[in-house]
Amino acid sequence: NAGVMQNPRHLVRRRGQEARLRCSPMKGHSHVYWYRQLPEEGLKFMVYLQKENIIDESGMPKERFSAEFPKEGPSILRIQQVVRGDSAAYFCASSPSLETRDNEQFFGPGTRLTVL
Amino acid sequence: GNSVTQMEGPVTLSEEAFLTINCTYTATGYPSLFWYVQYPGEGLQLLLKATKADDKGSNKGFEATYRKETTSFHLEKGSVQVSDSAVYFCALTPSGGYQKVTFGTGTKLQVIP
Repeated sequence: NAGVMQNPRHLVRRRGQEARLRCSPMKGHSHVYWYRQLPEEGLKFMVYLQKENIIDESGMPKERFSAEFPKEGPSILRIQQVVRGDSAAYFCASSPSLETRDNEQFFGPGTRLTVL
Repeated sequence: GNSVTQMEGPVTLSEEAFLTINCTYTATGYPSLFWYVQYPGEGLQLLLKATKADDKGSNKGFEATYRKETTSFHLEKGSVQVSDSAVYFCALTPSGGYQKVTFGTGTKLQVIP
């Protein structure tokens, strides 16, 4: 039973390029969350998605960032025209449903983005 | 809004020393509380959790008790090992609605032989 998969694990981009980060949730999970961890800081919530829907994007910058979770395939976090300040570790988490209050999120290994 | 405050690190201990990492939270209702651990270069792993007042979460010798009266969830271990060296995050999810996790800033623990 594979856990949450993220790829690539490491991504290097030059300023102005696009970064695409992929997340495959655990089997049977329909809820995906993206978090960003800046160097020496904790994780900050970015966006919460269900299949084909963005539920909460309150933590995502208004410009250059977008996320999707299509009916088929992984969730994608897309950063256009990257800047050095986007350098961070981006973590994806998934959960099965909201039906139980005790609802753990399972985290992927993260994608470490470096912008040169 | 919800928030989590944990003691700043780094914390440096000798092997077999007693560990306490303080964590307090601000939230309405009855959130669920978590401790996550992040080993160097890796993602987060759930260490333990508690979902209601007075619950004690425990795992791998670590434990934490959900204290509603003091809004705290301090992490303790009686005898740390070098392999416990990592960053520890206290976190909560709200009592209603979807489960957006609010994290503390993390406490780096270094255990020396």
